Amino acid sequence: AQSVSQHNHHVILSEAASLELGCNYSYGGTVNLFWYVQYPGQHLQLLLKYFSGDPLVKGIKGFEAEFIKSKFSFNLRKPSVQWSDTAEYFCAVATLGRLYFGRGTQLTVWP
Amino acid sequence: KAGVTQTPRYLIKTRGQQVTLSCSPISGHRSVSWYQQTPGQGLQFLFEYFSETQRNKGNFPGRFSGRQFSNSRSEMNVSTLELGDSALYLCASSEGQGGRQETQYFGPGTRLLVL
Repeated sequence: AQSVSQHNHHVILSEAASLELGCNYSYGGTVNLFWYVQYPGQHLQLLLKYFSGDPLVKGIKGFEAEFIKSKFSFNLRKPSVQWSDTAEYFCAVATLGRLYFGRGTQLTVWP
Repeated sequence: KAGVTQTPRYLIKTRGQQVTLSCSPISGHRSVSWYQQTPGQGLQFLFEYFSETQRNKGNFPGRFSGRQFSNSRSEMNVSTLELGDSALYLCASSEGQGGRQETQYFGPGTRLLVL
């Protein structure tokens, strides 16, 4: 079965700091990769996705992610976080007709 | 387009009861998937429906079942509720073409508390 690992359970940053959230998956075949975000009190929203092509994908709100096939990784980055980025971030892998999620990373940004 | 809607948003039930949750997908989407979200297990896939047929199933007991109607709306049923069924149940819809390059869009969820 597919597994998705998010390395950090809770990340605390100050505004303007840079962010990188790690994500690794186990499946060796072709996968589609996603990052979803869940803001406090809101539902899961799509941040960005990778299907094929350029391994560096850009999403909403200044987020980007890089797919490194050799490392089975899809790390999320943002050069400068804002207080409004406080949320829970989920990495997900789509294969065999379903989404497999990581356990999530809670990001807290202090103003 | 309106997003995925789920009803009810909150439910309180007691052990042994059964519950039915409803999901209306984004207009034009034909695939509906259900997920359970708990602090202990995270987000876990329950099942997926497409064209009124279950197309994929996760590793949940038979107490968890679902169906899809001809208008793509879906219901999920949990019978003989247990305390451990307390969770946020999320519905997601996608176009359902069956290809790999599909994106699932999530509803707000139904928070179920079993007492």
